[in-house]
Amino acid sequence: NAGVTQTPKFRVLKTGQSMTLLCAQDMNHEYMYWYRQDPGMGLRLIHYSVGEGTTAKGEVPDGYNVSRLKKQNFLLGLESAAPSQTSVYFCASSAYYEQYFGPGTRLTVT
Amino acid sequence: QQQVKQSPQSLIVQKGGIPIINCAYENTAFDYFPWYQQFPGKGPALLIAIRPDVSEKKEGRFTISFNKSAKQFSLHIMDSQPGDSATYFCAASNFGNEKLTFGTGTRLTIIP
Repeated sequence: NAGVTQTPKFRVLKTGQSMTLLCAQDMNHEYMYWYRQDPGMGLRLIHYSVGEGTTAKGEVPDGYNVSRLKKQNFLLGLESAAPSQTSVYFCASSAYYEQYFGPGTRLTVT
Repeated sequence: QQQVKQSPQSLIVQKGGIPIINCAYENTAFDYFPWYQQFPGKGPALLIAIRPDVSEKKEGRFTISFNKSAKQFSLHIMDSQPGDSATYFCAASNFGNEKLTFGTGTRLTIIP
């Protein structure tokens, strides 16, 4: 089992550009999450999903959109990137409260 | 609005010492309290977790102490090793809701 995978691993964007981060899990988990991690701020929840076709806002949803068209995939989109979105993004999935994290995507917006 | 407050922000302990990381929460509906461990360049991974019906839980060298009345819980690492150097996050959630609220993290360094 690969667990939770994220693509890409690194990305540099210019202000105003758009991109999509892909998260995939092979554990048949219902719940999936997108977090951002910034120094001194811990892990902050952007959006999450409780099942295929559902999404919900987390703590810091502004500037991001998500989609969960298939149970195993959770996509995070940035429509118009801003320097404030420079961060490390983690995807996770969960079952019985234990969250399994992907390796992260380091995004820099210049 | 920070619902889980974690301290200290960083901690340096000599090998064999017992680092202690503390967390405090505000929401009395929280009833699941995990600790996650993160190594540089990796995603966090579950280390140990506790529910409020017990005051202590041990797994190997890692112990969670829980004080329901004070709304506090802490992680203790016995006989700490340089390989324990990592960032540790506490978290909390409500029963029936797998969404976690994380603390801000503690960067732990164990020196030989």
